[in-house]
Amino acid sequence: DGGITQSPKYLFRKEGQNVTLSCEQNLNHDAMYWYRQDPGQGLRLIYYSQIVNDFQKGDIAEGYSVSREKKESFPLTVTSAQKNPTAFYLCASAGQGSWKTQYFGPGTRLLVL
Amino acid sequence: AQSVSQHNHHVILSEAASLELGCNYSYGGTVNLFWYVQYPGQHLQLLLKYFSGDPLVKGIKGFEAEFIKSKFSFNLRKPSVQWSDTAEYFCAVTSSGGSYIPTFGRGTSLIVHP
Repeated sequence: DGGITQSPKYLFRKEGQNVTLSCEQNLNHDAMYWYRQDPGQGLRLIYYSQIVNDFQKGDIAEGYSVSREKKESFPLTVTSAQKNPTAFYLCASAGQGSWKTQYFGPGTRLLVL
Repeated sequence: AQSVSQHNHHVILSEAASLELGCNYSYGGTVNLFWYVQYPGQHLQLLLKYFSGDPLVKGIKGFEAEFIKSKFSFNLRKPSVQWSDTAEYFCAVTSSGGSYIPTFGRGTSLIVHP
């Protein structure tokens, strides 16, 4: 059953703590993306990767970091430098080409304690 | 840089009413256009997309969208909505000359009353 999985579904972060959100895909897609979804603001791009071992900053990369060591995996770390981390985080993947559809995971909701 | 504007942030309709959600983009070159839908508690998923050919595109669940290049628009339509169409709808654009990174609109929340 192909698709994208994200874990955990809910994540709680304490002040000053780094947390990592998992994203795995078995669609054999080259490109992977992380978005942040806030009410009324749509999807804002945090980071993206078009190939293993390479990634680029999106529009709101400050306070976040990523890695892409394997084609299937694109974890996102929310660092303590991110001052407003409470949001819904979506991971997506796509094949190469501007006409390619993005496939999204179920999302992780991050809450700050 | 490309941008996407969705004019209607919240739409409330009764069942059987007709729907049109506006989407305008700013980019002068060749574009690919998408509508994604997020039903309550479900993954964001593709509704329909345009990349070439017939500018009238038909998608799932009776939705369609028309690409009007002269107006930089890709409005989503459905002649008769159902309660199950209650969802958030996002318009997105990619450009062939760019890095294939989609730009999303802010989304439109649609509520359909039974």
